[in-house]
Amino acid sequence: GQNIDQPTEMTATEGAIVQINCTYQTSGFNGLFWYQQHAGEAPTFLSYNVLDGLEEKGRFSSFLSRSKGYSYLLLKELQMKDSASYLCAAGDSGGYQKVTFGTGTKLQVIP
Amino acid sequence: EAGVAQSPRYKIIEKRQSVAFWCNPISGHATLYWYQQILGQGPKLLIQFQNNGVVDDSQLPKDRFSAERLKGVDSTLKIQPAKLEDSAVYLCASSYPPESGANVLTFGAGSRLTVL
Repeated sequence: GQNIDQPTEMTATEGAIVQINCTYQTSGFNGLFWYQQHAGEAPTFLSYNVLDGLEEKGRFSSFLSRSKGYSYLLLKELQMKDSASYLCAAGDSGGYQKVTFGTGTKLQVIP
Repeated sequence: EAGVAQSPRYKIIEKRQSVAFWCNPISGHATLYWYQQILGQGPKLLIQFQNNGVVDDSQLPKDRFSAERLKGVDSTLKIQPAKLEDSAVYLCASSYPPESGANVLTFGAGSRLTVL
């Protein structure tokens, strides 16, 4: 099975940088996902890491260390619209590629 | 492409009543998922279909929840009888799992259930 931990809430200032951490323990691992979920809306895909290292996509970057069971999502130049929950999710290496989500980190961006 | 369609968007019922949710995935997506998301928590997988077969229902409360995907396309999730703790958003998602690489899920808008 999968066990995923991430902070419950974070607050950051508009224009700043914030890092959201995620640790995972899995019986089979096939990549780490980050999804964004605005209040009352469905989750939307942000990033995927399967190899160690940093993946950059505009203002958002995601990092993975497989040996440490650790990932983070880095958001730069924060905007008010970035206020949302950020869900860390682990992909399973089994044949049907189950995806297990963490509890999510609610990020509040303040002026 | 059209997204994942779900209905109804909102449903209020009393405990012990029954409810059904419908999902139509993205065309061509072989895998369909039902997740339960309780307020303030992450999505919890209830059941996963590959075409019309169940590949994971380990967290589905089978005494009250059932789901089917008869023709390998749309799906129905039923709760009977409902309990107060079933109040949640029921998210349907679909994907076309690649042989390698990211299995990216596309979610529907969800069905919000309130049990009184």
